Amino acid sequence: AQSVTQLDSQVPVFEEAPVELRCNYSSSVSVYLFWYVQYPNQGLQLLLKYLSGSTLVKGINGFEAEFNKSQTSFHLRKPSVHISDTAEYFCAVTPGDNTDKLIFGTGTRLQVFP
Amino acid sequence: EAQVTQNPRYLITVTGKKLTVTCSQNMNHEYMSWYRQDPGLGLRQIYYSMNVEVTDKGDVPEGYKVSRKEKRNFPLILESPSPNQTSLYFCASSFRDISEQYFGPGTRLTVT
Repeated sequence: AQSVTQLDSQVPVFEEAPVELRCNYSSSVSVYLFWYVQYPNQGLQLLLKYLSGSTLVKGINGFEAEFNKSQTSFHLRKPSVHISDTAEYFCAVTPGDNTDKLIFGTGTRLQVFP
Repeated sequence: EAQVTQNPRYLITVTGKKLTVTCSQNMNHEYMSWYRQDPGLGLRQIYYSMNVEVTDKGDVPEGYKVSRKEKRNFPLILESPSPNQTSLYFCASSFRDISEQYFGPGTRLTVT
């Protein structure tokens, strides 16, 4: 079955430092990949998505992610984080046999300290 | 303002008492979906709908029903709620497929 693994449940980082949130998925076929962000007490918001084309995807708020098919990864990066980036981040993938369904990872809580 | 609305936002109920959580979007989206969020499990898809009168099961459909009689509305029905359905529920919609979903603010349900 399709699965998404976010290895880090929490990532603490100081303001202005770079950050990488890791996401690995299991699939032998083409998939769509997404990163969503959830600020405290809010719904989810799409950060970026990979459907096809360039493997480096740029999203909102200075985030980017790189699709690596050989490593089945879609890690999220930001070169310099702000306090306002404190939130929970979810990686998600469509199953290879059904692009109408979405499977989420368990989330990574990014805590940015001053 | 383009948005997905859910009602109620908070609900405490007892085991077995039927309830409905409403979801409405004003963006003329074809695709709508329900998720539940539980600590340590992330979000799991309950049901989704590709268009009016077209629905399908997600990963955790047991104990839930949905209907899509109008394009804008996608209610989630719990015929006989149980404590293991205590969770945070999100409705989402997107224009045609899953590629860019807009999420509602969430409904926190407690079943005692």
